[in-house]
Amino acid sequence: AQRVTQPEKLLSVFKGAPVELKCNYSYSGSPELFWYVQYSRQRLQLLLRHISRESIKGFTADLNKGETSFHLKKPFAQEEDSAMYYCALSPPGGGGADGLTFGKGTHLIIQP
Amino acid sequence: DAGVTQSPTHLIKTRGQHVTLRCSPISGHKSVSWYQQVLGQGPQFIFQYYEKEERGRGNFPDRFSARQFPNYSSELNVNALLLGDSALYLCASSLTLAGWETQYFGPGTRLLVL
Repeated sequence: AQRVTQPEKLLSVFKGAPVELKCNYSYSGSPELFWYVQYSRQRLQLLLRHISRESIKGFTADLNKGETSFHLKKPFAQEEDSAMYYCALSPPGGGGADGLTFGKGTHLIIQP
Repeated sequence: DAGVTQSPTHLIKTRGQHVTLRCSPISGHKSVSWYQQVLGQGPQFIFQYYEKEERGRGNFPDRFSARQFPNYSSELNVNALLLGDSALYLCASSLTLAGWETQYFGPGTRLLVL
């Protein structure tokens, strides 16, 4: 069964410090992986996906197939990064049969 | 475009009742997915509909059903409500069946079952 684990419910760092949000997954194959973000009083939205290999708002995420991890990183945290972050997985090529499998989320707080 | 819209925003029901939640996708989006988000958890996949057909179903009992209309809007129905059905129900629409990069979420409907 596919599973996404985010070990930290809460992560608090100071402004300007590096941030790493951990995500580990369990899937027999090569899934597609995503990070979603939900800012206060806003809708859940896609932050980035591993296929695009892009940096969004200074965040990057590297897929490590050996460790089955997809950690989200940012070298210098900003106060506007405070939000709830969810890691998610879908079967390769997408497809609706299993939808997206989300982790429980990590609440990131950036202290001034 | 207002984005994905859901109605109602909140509702309170009692155990055993039935509830219908509604979702209007972004114009041009043909796929609608439903998720349940219990407090403190991530969203859990319930259904995906594409071109009015069910294309995916999560691990939910038969009390949960859904449908998609010709205008691509969708309804989620839950029968015989249980206390554990209390959650935020999210709807998401996307252009295509596997179009996660174009998937947008609605604000959700918060259901409280007493």
